[in-house]
Amino acid sequence: QKEVEQNSGPLSVPEGAIASLNCTYSDRGSQSFFWYRQYSGKSPELIMSIYSNGDKEDGRFTAQLNKASQYVSLLIRDSQPSDSATYLCAVDYDYKLSFGAGTTVTVRA
Amino acid sequence: SAVISQKPSRDICQRGTSLTIQCQVDSQVTMMFWYRQQPGQSLTLIATANQGSEATYESGFVIDKFPISRPNLTFSTLTVSNMSPEDSSIYLCSGGAQHMNTEAFFGQGTRLTVV
Repeated sequence: QKEVEQNSGPLSVPEGAIASLNCTYSDRGSQSFFWYRQYSGKSPELIMSIYSNGDKEDGRFTAQLNKASQYVSLLIRDSQPSDSATYLCAVDYDYKLSFGAGTTVTVRA
Repeated sequence: SAVISQKPSRDICQRGTSLTIQCQVDSQVTMMFWYRQQPGQSLTLIATANQGSEATYESGFVIDKFPISRPNLTFSTLTVSNMSPEDSSIYLCSGGAQHMNTEAFFGQGTRLTVV
């Protein structure tokens, strides 16, 4: 499985702030990139996918991709307590996904 | 997105026994995968379940320990054989379609405890 590295957590942010999550990957051939949210005791839930360089926005979430730097990030704007979860970066290779270790985010009320 | 049903949701098993986990998807997906998530860890791919043929296993996983079946496009099973406490983990089924750029969706997982 290919290497996917995420910034170590946990990450604690106050309610209303921006949470910034980073991810780097090793396989230059990867074309598809995903962010999953996993609440404690639950299975991962797909929240964002990105395939082209640049930004992609969906509600309070923005994914950013830079294939030259092999870097993908997720911004959570106006963070809410319900955003408290572990966020997993996933990168494709050979139609499979390799996951990072995850970054745990805690939003303080 | 596909809806993926997995059962059992949890089980406590004696060492040396085997457990079969079932996964059913609500639409025909091209790809089905089995992952393991050990406590506090990320997801590790066990194998790709291939319809009508032997699964493709990742390094460190073997068919004798984790036999997988996929008799049709919407159903797959994973068996954890001759279990030991080290097999205690969450096992997750995942499905996706190649035309969806490898987007993958997960079942609710099976929490396995081996005693």
